[in-house]
Amino acid sequence: AQSVTQLDSQVPVFEEAPVELRCNYSSSVSVYLFWYVQYPNQGLQLLLKYLSGSTLVESINGFEAEFNKSQTSFHLRKPSVHISDTAEYFCAVTDQGGSEKLVFGKGTKLTVNP
Amino acid sequence: DGGITQSPKYLFRKEGQNVTLSCEQNLNHDAMYWYRQDPGQGLRLIYYSQIVNDFQKGDIAEGYSVSREKKESFPLTVTSAQKNPTAFYLCASQDSSHGKNIQYFGAGTRLSVL
Repeated sequence: AQSVTQLDSQVPVFEEAPVELRCNYSSSVSVYLFWYVQYPNQGLQLLLKYLSGSTLVESINGFEAEFNKSQTSFHLRKPSVHISDTAEYFCAVTDQGGSEKLVFGKGTKLTVNP
Repeated sequence: DGGITQSPKYLFRKEGQNVTLSCEQNLNHDAMYWYRQDPGQGLRLIYYSQIVNDFQKGDIAEGYSVSREKKESFPLTVTSAQKNPTAFYLCASQDSSHGKNIQYFGAGTRLSVL
């Protein structure tokens, strides 16, 4: 079985500052990894994913995440955040063997202050 | 316009009452999921269905029931046996083509107890 730990429940930052949201996972098999974003009172939207290939994956709005197999991590980063990035971010993992279930972390609430 | 539609957006339940949350998808996905979200606890899996006329319990199925009579529809009933139903409920469907295992979410239903 897989598990996901998001190390920070809340991350406050100032606008235009860099940010890193940390995610560690545990699994005995190879995995797929995801970051989802949730704006207030909305569903989750896929932000980016690691399925295979390059360990550095990017989203269209400037976020990136790096899959580090040795450290079992998939941290999310952005070099300069905007007010509109204020949201809750969820890391998720599923095994490549097709268990059909996603396991989510408990979320990190990012607040970008002016 | 493809996607997942959840209704209603807000729902109130009286004590002893069963209520049903609707989830419809037109993405032609085989698998569908119901999650419960409580503040600070991330998403917890209630039930999932990988194919029509079949479904499995998730981690917190007690007090809930589902049906999957059509590929497009996966309604969730919150029964009177669920003593703490106040939460945000999210439905998702999964694109498992080419091993992607990507889940897409509806906008959610917020259930409160009167």
